[in-house]
Amino acid sequence: AQSVTQLGSHVSVSEGALVLLRCNYSSSVPPYLFWYVQYPNQGLQLLLKYTSAATLVKGINGFEAEFKKSETSFHLTKPSAHMSDAAEYFCAVRRFNRDDKIIFGKGTRLHILP
Amino acid sequence: GEEVAQTPKHLVRGEGQKAKLYCAPIKGHSYVFWYQQVLKNEFKFLISFQNENVFDETGMPKERFSAKCLPNSPCSLEIQATKLEDSAVYFCASSRRVEDGYTFGSGTRLTVV
Repeated sequence: AQSVTQLGSHVSVSEGALVLLRCNYSSSVPPYLFWYVQYPNQGLQLLLKYTSAATLVKGINGFEAEFKKSETSFHLTKPSAHMSDAAEYFCAVRRFNRDDKIIFGKGTRLHILP
Repeated sequence: GEEVAQTPKHLVRGEGQKAKLYCAPIKGHSYVFWYQQVLKNEFKFLISFQNENVFDETGMPKERFSAKCLPNSPCSLEIQATKLEDSAVYFCASSRRVEDGYTFGSGTRLTVV
């Protein structure tokens, strides 16, 4: 079965600093991987997705993530944090080429310090 | 339209009452998913549809929860005899292809009192 583990339920970074949100996946078959962001009282917005093409995926709002099969990781990064990046971030996995549901991690709350 | 429309935004029910939530997926999206988000922020999968057919209902508490996606109508999620623990935000999402991520609606906040 697939699963994702997000390391750190809360991460704080200073404005302008590097953002690194960690995600490790477990999947018996090649996965699709996703990062979503949730702002307060809103639904989830797709930031980026890995679908077996390029291992470095660029998303919206300056975020990117790198698929590393050897480390079973899909960490999310952004070179310079903005105050507007404060939100909950969810890593998610889905089996490749299957009509499966997406399985979400437990989320990481990103705090931006002025 | 290009958004998943969920109604109502807020719903308050007394314990034991029925609750019905609606979701209009994006036109052309054949997959619909329902998730429950409780206070811990975890997303619990409930059920998925491919067009009007139930695809996966492994997350549904079947004794009280039911869902439908009928042609030319919004999809619905119904909870008979609500319980306090049903209080949550219920999200609907749709997608066109397997490799796509979901597009989520803004959710329905159900409060059972």
